[in-house]
Amino acid sequence: KQEVTQIPAALSVPEGENLVLNCSFTDSAIYNLQWFRQDPGKGLTSLLLIQSSQREQTSGRLNASLDKSSGRSTLYIAASQPGDSATYLCAVHTGTASKLTFGTGTRLQVTL
Amino acid sequence: KAGVTQTPRYLIKTRGQQVTLSCSPISGHRSVSWYQQTPGQGLQFLFEYFSETQRNKGNFPGRFSGRQFSNSRSEMNVSTLELGDSALYLCASSPWTGVLAGDKEQFFGPGTRLTVL
Repeated sequence: KQEVTQIPAALSVPEGENLVLNCSFTDSAIYNLQWFRQDPGKGLTSLLLIQSSQREQTSGRLNASLDKSSGRSTLYIAASQPGDSATYLCAVHTGTASKLTFGTGTRLQVTL
Repeated sequence: KAGVTQTPRYLIKTRGQQVTLSCSPISGHRSVSWYQQTPGQGLQFLFEYFSETQRNKGNFPGRFSGRQFSNSRSEMNVSTLELGDSALYLCASSPWTGVLAGDKEQFFGPGTRLTVL
């Protein structure tokens, strides 16, 4: 059974700092990994999708890496801003169809 | 292109009632998945539909059911509501075509907040 863990559970950083969020999964036989952002009480916004054959993906200030063999992914946020404050979730896709298994999330607060 | 839409956005029900939630996927997407999000359990997969067929089902009691229509819109139903069913219900759509393994990005709607009193 696939299990996804995210560390840390919460993180507070001052504006401008670079930061790394971690995601680990137990079953390395994944098809892809997706990072999402969730604002309080809202739905999920897709940030980055990494296919199993890829090592990293970049979008603006965000860079996600994937090491499938070790069951790890990281989300790097450069020059953090208060608007980045949200919960970040990683999810892996291991089966057929579209089922995702989610991590527990990292709640990020970027302070002025 | 319009995103995933869910209606209603908020619902308040009492124990024992039933509820129906609706999801309209992104135009052209035929895969629709449903998830339940609670503070204690996080995001849990409910079920998935593709071309009107349920492809996958999570570990939820039979009170939770769903269906998909020919236009890809999906509904989920919860009968005999319990206090523990209070949650944010999220719908996701994907351009997955039903062939080979799923490798498509998934897009989520804003969710329906269900409160059971």
